[in-house]
Amino acid sequence: QQPVQSPQAVILREGEDAVINCSSSKALYSVHWYRQKHGEAPVFLMILLKGGEQKGHEKISASFNEKKQQSSLYLTASQLSYSGTYFCGTELMTGANNLFFGTGTRLTVIP
Amino acid sequence: NAGVMQNPRHLVRRRGQEARLRCSPMKGHSHVYWYRQLPEEGLKFMVYLQKENIIDESGMPKERFSAEFPKEGPSILRIQQVVRGDSAAYFCATRPGQGVTVAPDTQYFGPGTRLTVL
Repeated sequence: QQPVQSPQAVILREGEDAVINCSSSKALYSVHWYRQKHGEAPVFLMILLKGGEQKGHEKISASFNEKKQQSSLYLTASQLSYSGTYFCGTELMTGANNLFFGTGTRLTVIP
Repeated sequence: NAGVMQNPRHLVRRRGQEARLRCSPMKGHSHVYWYRQLPEEGLKFMVYLQKENIIDESGMPKERFSAEFPKEGPSILRIQQVVRGDSAAYFCATRPGQGVTVAPDTQYFGPGTRLTVL
């Protein structure tokens, strides 16, 4: 039930772009993306619903491929503040409402 | 508008003691989730509660762990007879909602309680 994220880690220079992928073997109702900085709580970025996508931040967007049960998070023109670990949380079609989180992608943006 | 509150932020216990972790939802939120995060790992779902009801406890160990969300007051995650393997960060997340719904909603996380078992 736990989704798989890739890559596990990525290092970017300021201004570069990155894509983080999240894949599930189960039918999904929604995908939630969070960013967590070390020692802090996960912060909500955006939610993607079955049948649509939602953009939560100016330079961060995401897509949701319902047929493949995959979601991708796109970070463009990265800033130093983007550094952190990104988690996708998946909500299954069972309607259970709880989220299953991936193992995370550690993003480091350097000057 | 206060966010999700958790206390204590840090908790140290010796093996065999009890740990009580509290989560106060955001105003208007009636759904509470508890997650455990081991160092350098992802969040693992433990239990999902609504006021006075446990909706899903499939992620919670069968022994020593219990959770409640009373009509009044915070949600409490209780760990009895703690062992070193219980050392982790415990996060609660809350969301609004009226009754059981399949519609997704954003879960807002609290700052977490970092439990250390000596």
